[in-house]
Amino acid sequence: GDSVTQMEGPVTLSEEAFLTINCTYTATGYPSLFWYVQYPGEGLQLLLKATKADDKGSNKGFEATYRKETTSFHLEKGSVQVSDSAVYFCALSDPYNTDKLIFGTGTRLQVFP
Amino acid sequence: GAVVSQHPSWVICKSGTSVKIECRSLDFQATTMFWYRQFPKQSLMLMATSNEGSKATYEQGVEKDKFLINHASLTLSTLTVTSAHPEDSSFYICSASPQGSSYNEQFFGPGTRLTVL
Repeated sequence: GDSVTQMEGPVTLSEEAFLTINCTYTATGYPSLFWYVQYPGEGLQLLLKATKADDKGSNKGFEATYRKETTSFHLEKGSVQVSDSAVYFCALSDPYNTDKLIFGTGTRLQVFP
Repeated sequence: GAVVSQHPSWVICKSGTSVKIECRSLDFQATTMFWYRQFPKQSLMLMATSNEGSKATYEQGVEKDKFLINHASLTLSTLTVTSAHPEDSSFYICSASPQGSSYNEQFFGPGTRLTVL
């Protein structure tokens, strides 16, 4: 079945460092891909999304490119801030059942000043 | 906008009792709400999809008689864990899709941590 694999955390960085959180997926069709972020004590929030191959989603300085050839959707940010500390979830929507989101295990990011 | 609340945020109960968790969309109407379960260091697993005014659709392996879902209005869905046991201890998260949106546009609640003693 469809699945999402993302790197285990925690990822610990100093402020202004470059961030990459890897995400790869397995899907039989052509899924839409998402990154969600969960700040402490809050619900998951959509950070960015891409709906087809080569699309780049971007928001709040974060970017991810839908790479069909490598089945990847890695999250990047050029300069992280302490306020970016959160848990990041990669997800896909099942192309054969558009009401389902399939999530990765989440990666905790800790940014220190 | 698009805020989803859950109540309670955490609950501790004795084995054999039932626990009700509420999920509310505060500033929009939600035709569809979703219930997820999350184990430590694991991904969110969809338990069921509920549509206002109709029976919930449960995922394979989820006991519908144990996890009762009611979606009585466009802003409220409830999950009742009946005869809870320690293995039901988990983090339960709901989400809601605004009326008229695509299903993968979901807004999430902050979650409810259930501990069964």
